[in-house]
Amino acid sequence: GENVEQHPSTLSVQEGDSAVIKCTYSDSASNYFPWYKQELGKRPQLIIDIRSNVGEKKDQRIAVTLNKTAKHFSLHITETQPEDSAVYFCAASPTGNQFYFGTGTSLTVIP
Amino acid sequence: NAGVTQTPKFQVLKTGQSMTLQCAQDMNHNSMYWYRQDPGMGLRLIYYSASEGTTDKGEVPNGYNVSRLNKREFSLRLESAAPSQTSVYFCASSVRGRGPTNEKLFFGSGTQLSVL
Repeated sequence: GENVEQHPSTLSVQEGDSAVIKCTYSDSASNYFPWYKQELGKRPQLIIDIRSNVGEKKDQRIAVTLNKTAKHFSLHITETQPEDSAVYFCAASPTGNQFYFGTGTSLTVIP
Repeated sequence: NAGVTQTPKFQVLKTGQSMTLQCAQDMNHNSMYWYRQDPGMGLRLIYYSASEGTTDKGEVPNGYNVSRLNKREFSLRLESAAPSQTSVYFCASSVRGRGPTNEKLFFGSGTQLSVL
């Protein structure tokens, strides 16, 4: 099955700086790559996603890039704010029903 | 719309006891999922159901059973709980059924289960 690796496991940045989280996947059949944000004690919620026919997608301060050849994708958060502090999960999906998650990155934005 | 509703929110069991986690969605979604979340392990799929009447194993199905009661409801049963099943359990749903197109997951609020 698919194997998704996520780095780093923890990340601290100063408010206003950028944060980058990287993921790699193993199954070349994966064609959908969502990112979820989970605040403490809350449910994961989708923040951005990208499909394999697109190399980059942006939504305000959040962007995701995908390199199919290298089988890696990254989340970029610019101008970080304290409310960005959370655990972020990447995922890869080779079919319409299976989603394989990374182990998560705990992001702390220091005011 | 309530979205995805899970019950209970918290549960403590003794080893060997059984229990059922309930999940219901009111978004008319075809697919429903059960995940467990453990520290440092991310979210791991236990079982999923692509449509009413069908269920499939995920990454970690051992020790669990599921029932897709109807389109709205998908339950997870622990027949004989073990300490290794201490975890946070999330139910999720998505609009798509069987097929190649992926769709976003909507998660429930989670169940914190402790097995002593």
